[in-house]
Order: sequence, then structure tokens, then C-alpha cells
Amino acid sequence: EAGVTQFPSHSVIEKGQTVTLRCDPISGHDNLYWYRRVMGKEIKFLLHFVKESKQDESGMPNNRFLAERTGGTYSTLKVQPAELEDSGVYFCASSQGTGLAKNIQYFGAGTRLSVL
Amino acid sequence: GEDVEQSLFLSVREGDSSVINCTYTDSSSTYLYWYKQEPGAGLQLLTYIFSNMDMKQDQRLTVLLNKKDKHLSLRIADTQTGDSAIYFCARWGASKIIFGSGTRLSIRP
Repeated sequence: EAGVTQFPSHSVIEKGQTVTLRCDPISGHDNLYWYRRVMGKEIKFLLHFVKESKQDESGMPNNRFLAERTGGTYSTLKVQPAELEDSGVYFCASSQGTGLAKNIQYFGAGTRLSVL
Repeated sequence: GEDVEQSLFLSVREGDSSVINCTYTDSSSTYLYWYKQEPGAGLQLLTYIFSNMDMKQDQRLTVLLNKKDKHLSLRIADTQTGDSAIYFCARWGASKIIFGSGTRLSIRP
């Protein structure tokens, strides 16, 4: 079974440009999460989808970030325009649903974003 | 202070035991986790413990939870070079996972 996949693995862009990150969750997982780790600090929650609906987007830093999950399958996270402080590693995770075992979140390898 | 705190670095000799410590602030946390990140790889769930447990053992890994002190530890017995990674302590918090900054474990020959 394929795990959570993220694309690209690394993106280098200039300040002011736009970047779109993609996440393909494990097939059948209704829950999809975005997290990011900036400057070697803690991994912070960005938002949570249940199918195509945003369940919690309290961690989104500002309106330059837009996440979508059309059709409830893969998700994209767009940063427009990118700023220097957006540099970091963006992780995606998915889980089946609620309940002890189904709450386990499986993470992708992350996308390393470098804004120059 | 931060919600989940852990030391940034730990260096141990190959074959010794590694103990990574973590403290957290929210006593209502139901699940606590240890994730491992190897270079270039994603976050791998190593183990988790439910808040009504004191200890959980899985092969070389032992997790100890002191709920009163809000202290979680991960012990890796017979540490090997393949254990070199960043270890993240985390807790479940209202439908999302709250992580610490990670402890980088390095192994000396």
C-alpha cells in the first residue's frame, strides 16, 4: 500500500513568487493534515481536512496560504506571494478517522521550501 | 514556555542505551507519541502511549509516562548507528498533533 506522498520534495523560489505543494494521502483516508517545521523548530499544525471540507484551519499563518482538497482526494497548499519566513519543511499527514487506531496520522516525507 | 519541550541534542556511544526526555503542559492529553525522522525521510510513528498507561515496551523501545509530572521518556536499548535520527515527542490535542522541537540523536563509535 502506498504511503502519503508529497511533491515536490524540494522547491527553491524567489521572494514574491508562487509555489504550490501537493499531497496525496493514503487511499481511503478521509482526514488530511498539513504541518510545517520552520528553522528547525517544532512542527506546527496548519490545517485539517475531513474529505473536502476544512475542519480546522486555525494554524494557517496568513491569507497568503491557500489549501484545497477538491473531491476529497489529494490536497494542494499554495503560497502566494512567498516570503522569506515561509522557508521550511511542509509535511502532510493522513488518517482514517476517529477512534484510537484510526486516529494514527501517517506522514509524508515533506516538501522542503526555500524562499530566497 | 513551549507546549511540548525536549532537549535538542543527545549523543550516545553505540551499544549504550539512549534516553530522550520530554515534558508537556496539557495534562488532558489522551495520547502521547514518539516520531522518528531519518535524513531525507518522512516522520515515522515509532510508538504511542495512552494517558492511562505508565509504561509501554516494544522490542528495544521503552516509553515511560509520568502523568503527575507531565514527563514522557523514550529509552532505546542497545543503540545502533541506524538509530541516528531526530526524535519528536508529541501529544494529541483536539484533532491535531502538537510536536516538540525534536531531539537529534547521534551515535559515537
